Amino acid sequence: AQKITQTQPGMFVQEKEAVTLDCTYDTSDPSYGLFWYKQPSSGEMIFLIYQGSYDQQNATEGRYSLNFQKARKSANLVISASQLGDSAMYFCAMRVPTGSARQLTFGSGTQLTVLP
Amino acid sequence: KAGVTQTPRYLIKTRGQQVTLSCSPISGHRSVSWYQQTPGQGLQFLFEYFSETQRNKGNFPGRFSGRQFSNSRSEMNVSTLELGDSALYLCASSLGTGLSETQYFGPGTRLLVL
Repeated sequence: AQKITQTQPGMFVQEKEAVTLDCTYDTSDPSYGLFWYKQPSSGEMIFLIYQGSYDQQNATEGRYSLNFQKARKSANLVISASQLGDSAMYFCAMRVPTGSARQLTFGSGTQLTVLP
Repeated sequence: KAGVTQTPRYLIKTRGQQVTLSCSPISGHRSVSWYQQTPGQGLQFLFEYFSETQRNKGNFPGRFSGRQFSNSRSEMNVSTLELGDSALYLCASSLGTGLSETQYFGPGTRLLVL
């Protein structure tokens, strides 16, 4: 079975500083995709970044980058130059190509608060 | 391009009633998935539809059902509502069902069961 673990229920960061949100995953499938989503208090899940298990390079999207360490089974999200608008819940999710696990499996999330 | 839309945004029902939620995917997207989000259980997968066929179903009782129409719009229905069905129901669409396909979410429907 697939599992995503986010061990930081809450994080605080000063505006303009960088922050790392942790995510570890567990799967026996060699092929998988890792996603990060942001959920503001309004409820909508906003896609941030994707990393495939066979991707050689760490994914980057603007201020977001993914620190992918395959051997450690970790996929940490790095947000550079935090902004007040980054305050939200952040979810790490995984998808594998086989059977019932083709849907996204989500972690429990990390509530990020950016301080002015 | 318009995003995923969900209606209604808020809903209050009483135990025993039934409810139908609607989701319109991004134009051109053929896959629609539904998720339930609660403070206790987090985000849980309900079902996935592609080209009007249910491709995948989560571990929910038969009171939860869904369907997809030929225009890719999807509905989910919950019959005989229970207090524990109070949740945010999120719909997500994607072009297909491939591993790297990004699912784009709608704003959700907040259901409160009294």
